[in-house]
Amino acid sequence: DQQVKQNSPSLSVQEGRISILNCDYTNSMFDYFLWYKKYPAEGPTFLISISSIKDKNEDGRFTVFLNKSAKHLSLHIVPSQPGDSAVYFCAASVEGGTGFQKLVFGTGTRLLVSP
Amino acid sequence: NAGVTQTPKFRILKIGQSMTLQCTQDMNHNYMYWYRQDPGMGLKLIYYSVGAGITDKGEVPNGYNVSRSTTEDFPLRLELAAPSQTSVYFCASSSIEGYNSPLHFGNGTRLTVT
Repeated sequence: DQQVKQNSPSLSVQEGRISILNCDYTNSMFDYFLWYKKYPAEGPTFLISISSIKDKNEDGRFTVFLNKSAKHLSLHIVPSQPGDSAVYFCAASVEGGTGFQKLVFGTGTRLLVSP
Repeated sequence: NAGVTQTPKFRILKIGQSMTLQCTQDMNHNYMYWYRQDPGMGLKLIYYSVGAGITDKGEVPNGYNVSRSTTEDFPLRLELAAPSQTSVYFCASSSIEGYNSPLHFGNGTRLTVT
């Protein structure tokens, strides 16, 4: 049962354009959503997050949008740069009962930004 | 600043062998986690720890054991390696400061069981 879904395995974008990565979830108990970025041979690194009480969060070129009624979130990267080429994982969190976050990850979307 | 350090980076095991994946963090984080990532899949939680001496099972714990004797170290033990355990293993840690503080990941251990 895949509770967090990233239906696009890959996305190609030209440098300077907008990249939009999408994520859908099924569990309405999720209360926090995060995006992680992963380069080859490295571990994932935290990119941006959003609480379920908000519908938008911005950090520089990165903006995450949350549509709770549709159980959908998206990551916008504007403008896209070649260094953004990586795998992006969407993750959702349910408070784990002892104060820590128990993350559920999507399968990832590989973004390729070409010069 | 080392962050989360995992060793080894690569390992090949024969079926039935055992090994320990090492993980250490220098950020004084209370929470530590082990995830595995299979090809084309997301990361799945194997075990986690909320502090020294406290561990609990995640989503896919079968075939693994963990211990947490210190805040810094969280080794993952495979007792009888099976081909289904071929995967990339990531250790992570997070701070107790603030709900939903992000996870810091190590660079992974790529394990092949043949």
